[in-house]
Amino acid sequence: EDQVTQSPEALRLQEGESSSLNCSYTVSGLRGLFWYRQDPGKGPEFLFTLYSAGEEKEKERLKATLTKKESFLHITAPKPEDSATYLCAVQNTGNQFYFGTGTSLTVIP
Amino acid sequence: DSGVTQTPKHLITATGQRVTLRCSPRSGDLSVYWYQQSLDQGLQFLIQYYNGEERAKGNILERFSAQQFPDLHSELNLSSLELGDSALYFCASSVGADNTQYFGPGTRLTVL
Repeated sequence: EDQVTQSPEALRLQEGESSSLNCSYTVSGLRGLFWYRQDPGKGPEFLFTLYSAGEEKEKERLKATLTKKESFLHITAPKPEDSATYLCAVQNTGNQFYFGTGTSLTVIP
Repeated sequence: DSGVTQTPKHLITATGQRVTLRCSPRSGDLSVYWYQQSLDQGLQFLIQYYNGEERAKGNILERFSAQQFPDLHSELNLSSLELGDSALYFCASSVGADNTQYFGPGTRLTVL
């Protein structure tokens, strides 16, 4: 069965302290891996799509990477406004989507 | 603001009842997706419609059904409601069948 596991469940960082979030996945056939940011009480906001192992994408302080079994979201010198829950999802070749339960990130000033 | 609208924002109803959630996609988007987000299960993909046709189905219960109308808005119908159906229901839309999804603000359903 296709599934996504994210770790850690929660992460507290000091402002400026870089770290990485992990997304491990099992999928019958990968069409895409997605990262979203979700603020409390709001819908997820798209960050990145990765399609194949070795691919990397960057946006401001965030960088997403992909291997055949996992993806990492690297956060460089985070700021308090980066505090949110980060969700990882995969789309399989049947066009179904599977989400992880997320990593709740808190950045302390 | 993603441009996706969902109504109502909140819905409180009783077990056994039926409700309809409505979603209007961003202007120009042809795909609509429905998701359920509960505290214990995270975000679950229910169903996708593309230009009026069902394109992909996830773990959608038989008590739930959806459709996309000619004007591209979509409705999710939930019937014979149970306590466990209490959740946030999100709609998302994308330009094509496989493009970036933009999520709406959600409808919070409470079943008492």
